[in-house]
Amino acid sequence: NAGVTQTPKFQVLKTGQSMTLQCAQDMNHNSMYWYRQDPGMGLRLIYYSASEGTTDKGEVPNGYNVSRLNKREFSLRLESAAPSQTSVYFCASSANRGADTQYFGPGTRLTVL
Amino acid sequence: GQQLNQSPQSMFIQEGEDVSMNCTSSSIFNTWLWYKQDPGEGPVLLIALYKAGELTSNGRLTAQFGITRKDSFLNISASIPSDVGIYFCAGPPSGTYKYIFGTGTRLKVLA
Repeated sequence: NAGVTQTPKFQVLKTGQSMTLQCAQDMNHNSMYWYRQDPGMGLRLIYYSASEGTTDKGEVPNGYNVSRLNKREFSLRLESAAPSQTSVYFCASSANRGADTQYFGPGTRLTVL
Repeated sequence: GQQLNQSPQSMFIQEGEDVSMNCTSSSIFNTWLWYKQDPGEGPVLLIALYKAGELTSNGRLTAQFGITRKDSFLNISASIPSDVGIYFCAGPPSGTYKYIFGTGTRLKVLA
């Protein structure tokens, strides 16, 4: 039982390049989330998926797209990376949306040059 | 957007001391959660609170749901070196289901 896994752990991009961050959970959770964490700040919600087949914007969605591939997997795509997207990205899942406990992956550290 | 303010932002304490931190909001919360983040890791849930006035413990950690529903408190007793990390409060404001996170309290324990 791995919980929430994320790949890659580290990534360096040049401005304008694209990439997809992968996330998978094995807890049979319905809801999944993508957050970013910048130095000295808390986590900010980018996108979430309340259930398979649905996605919604969070607090900071600009420059990102997401895909809920199936119940287990939720990917985050940067179409044209910008230096402002340098951050640590966390995926999380919960049984259902709302006040259910969210379980976090180990994070992806992304640097955009 | 809505914010959760945590205090203090950081603190150095001696091993064995007790620690107190708090989290305040301009909005009412129905659930308060406290997470800890170790360096290079994702946040891990420590305590969840679901009722105003609730006091809940998890080992040396005790958290309280403020009676105004706009604040919460976390205490750590007899701190040890492995308590080092960043502590976040979080939760969905009443009427929503999206978490917001506080800015964090960074704890450093001196042996």
